[in-house]
Amino acid sequence: NAGVTQTPKFQVLKTGQSMTLQCAQDMNHNSMYWYRQDPGMGLRLIYYSASEGTTDKGEVPNGYNVSRLNKREFSLRLESAAPSQTSVYFCASSGDSFTGNEQFFGPGTRLTVL
Amino acid sequence: AQRVTQPEKLLSVFKGAPVELKCNYSYSGSPELFWYVQYSRQRLQLLLRHISRESIKGFTADLNKGETSFHLKKPFAQEEDSAMYYCALKTWDDKIIFGKGTRLHILP
Repeated sequence: NAGVTQTPKFQVLKTGQSMTLQCAQDMNHNSMYWYRQDPGMGLRLIYYSASEGTTDKGEVPNGYNVSRLNKREFSLRLESAAPSQTSVYFCASSGDSFTGNEQFFGPGTRLTVL
Repeated sequence: AQRVTQPEKLLSVFKGAPVELKCNYSYSGSPELFWYVQYSRQRLQLLLRHISRESIKGFTADLNKGETSFHLKKPFAQEEDSAMYYCALKTWDDKIIFGKGTRLHILP
């Protein structure tokens, strides 16, 4: 059981470049999430997917798009990166009420936009 | 509005002293609340959840609906408790919202 995996671990982009952050989970969870973590701001929800085929905006969706490719995978895309998107990005998945709704987190992707 | 507030950015406590990390929430429905912890260079992980009323690593948290609070407590702090602590709220539509976090620093 790998849990939640993310790629890449580190990335440096120039302003205007695009990239996709990949996330996969092998726990058969329905719900998946993307957060960004910034100093003093805590974790802010970007997008989430409560089930395969659905996605919803979180607190800070502007500048991002997501795809729930299948039950396992949930990707985050930056179409035109901006310095304000420099952050650490975490993917998470969540079990259901029978498993206590615990969220499991990936190791994070540290993104720098120059 | 759905919101989780952790008023303290940093809390410094001497080893052996009691710890209380504050969390207040704003939510119109029936809340489901969690505490997560992030140790240095490790992933965020669940510490405890209010529905199970458990004690993990000596920490407890009680949901107070009247005060809309879910404060995290430990009677005697240990050095290994130094970490970043996040309070989180799960909404009816599976959204999970985090507070800004409190860094707990245990002084020797």
